[in-house]
Amino acid sequence: DGGITQSPKYLFRKEGQNVTLSCEQNLNHDAMYWYRQDPGQGLRLIYYSQIVNDFQKGDIAEGYSVSREKKESFPLTVTSAQKNPTAFYLCASSIQGAYNEQFFGPGTRLTVL
Amino acid sequence: KNEVEQSPQNLTAQEGEFITINCSYSVGISALHWLQQHPGGGIVSLFMLSSGKKKHGRLIATINIQEKHSSLHITASHPRDSAVYICAVDSNTGNQFYFGTGTSLTVIP
Repeated sequence: DGGITQSPKYLFRKEGQNVTLSCEQNLNHDAMYWYRQDPGQGLRLIYYSQIVNDFQKGDIAEGYSVSREKKESFPLTVTSAQKNPTAFYLCASSIQGAYNEQFFGPGTRLTVL
Repeated sequence: KNEVEQSPQNLTAQEGEFITINCSYSVGISALHWLQQHPGGGIVSLFMLSSGKKKHGRLIATINIQEKHSSLHITASHPRDSAVYICAVDSNTGNQFYFGTGTSLTVIP
């Protein structure tokens, strides 16, 4: 089955530790995205990548890093520099071009203790 | 200032009622999306539209490009429709999506 997966669904970390969230897609999509969702707010773009080995900062990139070494994978690292890392993180992918529908993963809920 | 505004923020309805959720946006768009997020957190795309109206089962989405407004209608609502409905626009000025804060719908049996 084609789709986009994120793991794990729930993640707990101590403050000060870096943590990497996984996102994999087998839809052959060129573009991939990371969003953060907080209560009462819309999804906010952290990073996006339109092609392998290239990525761009979104609106709230500070304290995060990404890599895009393979088309299928777009891992997000939440670093200790991120002041409020506890949130729900969603990964998405889409084909390139206009009218691109985004397909979302199931999300990872990160709690920093 | 949010590029995408939704109303209402919260909505409670009796089973069988007709429901309308509204979305207004302030940027130029190539498409508007209605998304559904269930309590588990996963998001699915309901509609993508750039003009007119689309229908899928009991769901109807309309868009008025001149007025920069879209509505999502649910006919004969059911408790399984309970979810957060999110309006998102695909900006025509770059590879940028803007999301509304969502409308939390609860349908009571």
